Amino acid sequence: SQTIHQWPATLVQPVGSPLSLECTVEGTSNPNLYWYRQAAGRGLQLLFYSVGIGQISSEVPQNLSASRPQDRQFILSSKKLLLSDSGFYLCAWSAQGNQPQHFGDGTRLSIL
Amino acid sequence: GEDVEQSLFLSVREGDSSVINCTYTDSSSTYLYWYKQEPGAGLQLLTYIFSNMDMKQDQRLTVLLNKKDKHLSLRIADTQTGDSAIYFCAVETTTDKLIFGTGTRLQVFP
Repeated sequence: SQTIHQWPATLVQPVGSPLSLECTVEGTSNPNLYWYRQAAGRGLQLLFYSVGIGQISSEVPQNLSASRPQDRQFILSSKKLLLSDSGFYLCAWSAQGNQPQHFGDGTRLSIL
Repeated sequence: GEDVEQSLFLSVREGDSSVINCTYTDSSSTYLYWYKQEPGAGLQLLTYIFSNMDMKQDQRLTVLLNKKDKHLSLRIADTQTGDSAIYFCAVETTTDKLIFGTGTRLQVFP
């Protein structure tokens, strides 16, 4: 069966520091991969999605970037974090072609 | 662009039925989903319905789709305290992306 892993589960970082959140999927190949942010008490905002290695689409202009160095690995990064980057970050995967998305357990990021 | 709306809160007594509603704007949506989020956790896929269906039932869950009115609902029968969570409606666009509602917080009291 397929599983998705995100780490770390929680992270506290100072303003201006770099960021790297990692997401990996097991048990499938060539998945679509997604990064979402959920602000407190809000819905989910799609940040990036990828349909293949090295293919990244950005949904909103921001301080973050994403990379997909391997088929089942998706990384969310920042060179310098802002206070507004605080939130709950969720990675998700789906099979190609109108399939449900399945989510990881999320990373709670707090910027001080 | 697509807009998905949900009411923010719902409070029900244990054993009663819960009905969570969702409206959307894009009539070309293919799949419509319901996800559950417990505190501090990721989203769990509960059920989904294809746009050519009116109803789908899965144990205590019933999904109703009124495509003409662009209205989706999730009914939970015999609601339990373990059903307390935030429920998200999500609508698939034509490009394999989901647009999420803001979520409905369901509180079940004894």
